[in-house]
Amino acid sequence: NAGVTQTPKFRVLKTGQSMTLLCAQDMNHEYMYWYRQDPGMGLRLIHYSVGEGTTAKGEVPDGYNVSRLKKQNFLLGLESAAPSQTSVYFCASSGGTSYEQYFGPGTRLTVT
Amino acid sequence: GESVGLHLPTLSVQEGDNSIINCAYSNSASDYFIWYKQESGKGPQFIIDIRSNMDKRQGQRVTVLLNKTVKHLSLQIAATQPGDSAVYFCAEIGNTNAGKSTFGDGTTLTVKP
Repeated sequence: NAGVTQTPKFRVLKTGQSMTLLCAQDMNHEYMYWYRQDPGMGLRLIHYSVGEGTTAKGEVPDGYNVSRLKKQNFLLGLESAAPSQTSVYFCASSGGTSYEQYFGPGTRLTVT
Repeated sequence: GESVGLHLPTLSVQEGDNSIINCAYSNSASDYFIWYKQESGKGPQFIIDIRSNMDKRQGQRVTVLLNKTVKHLSLQIAATQPGDSAVYFCAEIGNTNAGKSTFGDGTTLTVKP
């Protein structure tokens, strides 16, 4: 099992550009999450999904959109990147009887 | 809004000593708590969890204590090793239907040889 994978690992964008981050999990988990982590801080929830075809807003959703067309994939989109979106983005999934979240390796995004 | 916080941002211990990392939470309705370890350049990794109907749970070299009276959570690491150096986060889960977790800011543990 690969667990949770994220692509790309690194990306540099100019202000106003758009991009999509892809998260994939092979554990058949129902729940998936997108977080951002800024230096020296904890994780803040951007959006989450409780199942295929469903999405919901988290703590800091502005400037981001998500889609969950397939159970194993959760996409995070930035329509018009801003320097304030420079961060490390983590995807996670959970399912079954445990609330433990399995995290991907992260995507380091820089917006100039 | 509710938040989960940690008392100290950094902790330095000698190899072989025991470590205690603390966490204060504010949502008295939280049902479930998890400790995660995050090594440099990696995603957080599950260490141990505890439900609100328990006050102690032990794993391999780790123990989590929950004091609901003062809304305090702690992680004890026995015989701390250099490989334990990392950032430790506590997370509370208030809405168990979605499994959403609220994370604290983390404590950086440094183990000195």
